[in-house]
Amino acid sequence: QKEVEQDPGPLSVPEGAIVSLNCTYSNSAFQYFMWYRQYSRKGPELLMYTYSSGNKEDGRFTAQVDKSSKYISLFIRDSQPSDSATYLCAMSLSYNQGGKLIFGQGTELSVKP
Amino acid sequence: EAQVTQNPRYLITVTGKKLTVTCSQNMNHEYMSWYRQDPGLGLRQIYYSMNVEVTDKGDVPEGYKVSRKEKRNFPLILESPSPNQTSLYFCASSFRGLGGTRYTQYFGPGTRLTVL
Repeated sequence: QKEVEQDPGPLSVPEGAIVSLNCTYSNSAFQYFMWYRQYSRKGPELLMYTYSSGNKEDGRFTAQVDKSSKYISLFIRDSQPSDSATYLCAMSLSYNQGGKLIFGQGTELSVKP
Repeated sequence: EAQVTQNPRYLITVTGKKLTVTCSQNMNHEYMSWYRQDPGLGLRQIYYSMNVEVTDKGDVPEGYKVSRKEKRNFPLILESPSPNQTSLYFCASSFRGLGGTRYTQYFGPGTRLTVL
């Protein structure tokens, strides 16, 4: 079993839809949770990060962490064609593991005009 | 401009021919990592470095070597490449800051390697 599981999609939605992207994980020691966005033929770029359980909002994006269920989500409101990309969740342990991230497989999202 | 650069961007080689992929960052970051990205498997960490002369294995280190002699550079070495190392490779760096900043990784543009 992989430490981090993510549905690879692809996921296709119409413009304006609410998108929900999810990851599950098995290691209860993970403390930092991140979402990266990767456009085609580019390197990933950080979208959001959260520490421990709870919600974090940034514009149209909301990251949610439920440590009791070992489940994290990224919601995109009013999705736009420019949101079409692969979204990768990533996690890290709490102690001095800076730079050591475990990534999910990535979910390919397509937002149709 | 703050960036991570990788060279070459594309490389086709043959089995057993040693190669080096260079990585350089201009942000004075302490942490640097190498990843490979394969369809269905996502990003997997090969090696990471927490500072000069400090490196550690990631999840898939077999067949790779790294060195960190200078803070800005972190080359990836394939001593004897094999076809199963055909992949898209990314270098990344991050700042040794407080809290979540250390987990904000800046990625290079990627190197697509094909081993025949």
